[in-house]
Amino acid sequence: LAKTTQPISMDSYEGQEVNITCSHNNIATNDYITWYQQFPSQGPRFIIQGYKTKVTNEVASLFIPADRKSSTLSLPRVSLSDTAVYYCLVGDWRDNYGQNFVFGPGTRLSALP
Amino acid sequence: DAGVTQSPTHLIKTRGQQVTLRCSPKSGHDTVSWYQQALGQGPQFIFQYYEEEERQRGNFPDRFSGHQFPNYSSELNVNALLLGDSALYLCASSLVQGPYEQYFGPGTRLTVT
Repeated sequence: LAKTTQPISMDSYEGQEVNITCSHNNIATNDYITWYQQFPSQGPRFIIQGYKTKVTNEVASLFIPADRKSSTLSLPRVSLSDTAVYYCLVGDWRDNYGQNFVFGPGTRLSALP
Repeated sequence: DAGVTQSPTHLIKTRGQQVTLRCSPKSGHDTVSWYQQALGQGPQFIFQYYEEEERQRGNFPDRFSGHQFPNYSSELNVNALLLGDSALYLCASSLVQGPYEQYFGPGTRLTVT
């Protein structure tokens, strides 16, 4: 599984857009990029998944450049409730024996009033 | 639609004892994975079960074992507990044929004294 690198922490003021970038230089052709959110003492929660270009859902957008060596999670209009740890994962989930998710230390986002 | 449930919520054990944690997957899911999350760290993959068999295993000793039942629920057993086993134990469920997003339970907080 491709190794990922993210900033350890970020601060953002309420109402602002926040972008968290993840580097995955050795991403494989069949790998997907997935982001999870985790609040203290809770299990991670799926946010968004993509393969290339841009993916958008009701909570976030995921931007993936053509070379796929990085990806950016964008949260529009951050609120205090978005304070959490965000994990970027890369892997080929279609592999029957590849469904183990490798979590790094994640990015601790602090939303400020 | 019931999500992933885990029991118990909290557990305190003494070094050397054995513990069993339980997980019920999200309705319709057939694959269960277990993770260990130490304080301040990302979740670490322990193993995954599908069709009542262990399909893949992370870097954990044989003291960690599991089981999956015909109804897809699962147990995690840890023998000869060490102080270092204190962590949040997370269960995640998914579908083997996809989509490959994993749904996590709230976790069991294990404290070994």
